Amino acid sequence: DAKTTQPNSMESNEEEPVHLPCNHSTISGTDYIHWYRQLPSQGPEYVIHGLTSNVNNRMASLAIAEDRKSSTLILHRATLRDAAVYYCILRVSSNTGKLIFGQGTTLQVKP
Amino acid sequence: ETGVTQSPTHLIKTRGQQVTLRCSSQSGHNTVSWYQQALGQGPQFIFQYYREEENGRGNFPPRFSGLQFPNYSSELNVNALELDDSALYLCASSGLAGSTDTQYFGPGTRLTVL
Repeated sequence: DAKTTQPNSMESNEEEPVHLPCNHSTISGTDYIHWYRQLPSQGPEYVIHGLTSNVNNRMASLAIAEDRKSSTLILHRATLRDAAVYYCILRVSSNTGKLIFGQGTTLQVKP
Repeated sequence: ETGVTQSPTHLIKTRGQQVTLRCSSQSGHNTVSWYQQALGQGPQFIFQYYREEENGRGNFPPRFSGLQFPNYSSELNVNALELDDSALYLCASSGLAGSTDTQYFGPGTRLTVL
């Protein structure tokens, strides 16, 4: 299974943009890039996913490098509720579509 | 639309005992995946059930087993509990096995083995 590398932790100020990086140098052509986040005492929550092109939704934006070896999750205006562990996951459309979680990035948002 | 629910919320068992955890999938979903999350770690895939059959398994011993029922709810059974089985157990439902569809997670069951 292809691996991802993320910083252990990041800090942000409230109402400022946050850029969460992820390296995935061994990504293959069929791997989708998924982001989930886990708020304290909750199960993981889907944030966004993409294959090649940049993606936007109501929660965040996903910027994917042209060679697909890295990506960045962008939270446009961080709020205190965005404090969570963010997981970058490579997902293959296999018979299970299982998610392979790494350690994730713990995001702290300061008021 | 009802989300993924899990029961019980918390559970305390002793080493050697057996435990059953339950999960109700989101309405319209026929696939349930189970994950184990040790403290401070990311979730680890245990197995997946699709249309009442096991559809893939992670690196977990046979004492971890499961069931899926006709209404797509699911159970995770763990026999001969060990101290290292203490973790948060998460289930996730999705609409189609093997796709890259979103997985929707429940809040988890916190299992403590003494």
